[in-house]
Amino acid sequence: DGGITQSPKYLFRKEGQNVTLSCEQNLNHDAMYWYRQDPGQGLRLIYYSQIVNDFQKGDIAEGYSVSREKKESFPLTVTSAQKNPTAFYLCASSAPGQAPNEQFFGPGTRLTVL
Amino acid sequence: KQEVTQIPAALSVPEGENLVLNCSFTDSAIYNLQWFRQDPGKGLTSLLLIQSSQREQTSGRLNASLDKSSGRSTLYIAASQPGDSATYLCAVRLIGSQGNLIFGKGTKLSVKP
Repeated sequence: DGGITQSPKYLFRKEGQNVTLSCEQNLNHDAMYWYRQDPGQGLRLIYYSQIVNDFQKGDIAEGYSVSREKKESFPLTVTSAQKNPTAFYLCASSAPGQAPNEQFFGPGTRLTVL
Repeated sequence: KQEVTQIPAALSVPEGENLVLNCSFTDSAIYNLQWFRQDPGKGLTSLLLIQSSQREQTSGRLNASLDKSSGRSTLYIAASQPGDSATYLCAVRLIGSQGNLIFGKGTKLSVKP
């Protein structure tokens, strides 16, 4: 089955720790995205990547870092510099050069700071 | 700056009722608009995507319309069922963007048996 997987489903972080959220897709999509969802707010873009070895900051990139070494993988690291990391994190992918350019989402990772 | 608004924030209807969810956006220079469904604690499931050149899309009991000139889209759900209970999100992709979406805050729908 083609799709997007995210792991872990739940993640707990202590103050001052860096944690990495995994995102893998087997849809052969070039573009991948990370969004953050907070209660009562819409999804906000953290980082995106249009191609391997290239990525751009989204609206709320401070305190986060990413890498794109493989087409299938786009891990997100939440660093200790992120002051309020407790949220639901969603990874997505799309094929920008192919209509209709629908965006597909993974099941999400819920991060809680202890 | 593009803003996407969804009204109402919450909606409760009896089973069997037809209903309309609304989405408005401030910048009409959109490439496409996508409607999603989100169940509690889950990821987003794509329901319908409307290209900027299209007026509507249909899938089963769902029909989405797009009026770019007025900055509006509606999602029509026919003969609602308790299984339709979820949060519905709309999102737009702007022309010239890198494909990232701008989301509304969603409408939480509850269909009572």
